[in-house]
Amino acid sequence: GAVVSQHPSWVICKSGTSVKIECRSLDFQATTMFWYRQFPKQSLMLMATSNEGSKATYEQGVEKDKFLINHASLTLSTLTVTSAHPEDSSFYICSARDFRRNTIYFGEGSWLTVV
Amino acid sequence: QKEVEQDPGPLSVPEGAIVSLNCTYSNSAFQYFMWYRQYSRKGPELLMYTYSSGNKEDGRFTAQVDKSSKYISLFIRDSQPSDSATYLCAMSPGGNKLVFGAGTILRVKS
Repeated sequence: GAVVSQHPSWVICKSGTSVKIECRSLDFQATTMFWYRQFPKQSLMLMATSNEGSKATYEQGVEKDKFLINHASLTLSTLTVTSAHPEDSSFYICSARDFRRNTIYFGEGSWLTVV
Repeated sequence: QKEVEQDPGPLSVPEGAIVSLNCTYSNSAFQYFMWYRQYSRKGPELLMYTYSSGNKEDGRFTAQVDKSSKYISLFIRDSQPSDSATYLCAMSPGGNKLVFGAGTILRVKS
């Protein structure tokens, strides 16, 4: 079964509104989680690394103020797309590092459509 | 040059065939090697995980790592239509850095 849960699996929102996506590790504590974006027929693009209790580390070119990441607990990280625009429509995927198993597990992904 | 190179395919094979998927890399610091399977509109699912060089087998799947050649492979025996998906290789030197290949689209025809 899934060890990383992502919610919602899909969301449609109006342009200008904000959307929050949750990523939870189900059977392990994740001090580090990752947020990716994936365009159709392309590979995963790392957006940011989320660290529990501290600020996220963003990849070059990713707007920090637009993609707000909060990692408030050892099992939950959230990505908020603020003032969403149609070009933000994409597949967003989180992953979490399980240090005990030394493995990274992915969530099911969240489809965001901004209309 | 990308750190990880993977042929995007698509690779089309008949049911029952042996499938070979490959990635090459340039960073000799990579120690951990993974293969993920991603179905359309789903998140990647971890298939195989290998540390350093060698082979690892799990059911119909075999992962091989040749660090001297900077080359990794995933073999799928007795391929099934349900194996049709995108296969992503990923590798890490340790820590939080994880680099993905572009993914290979596999189609198994019944």
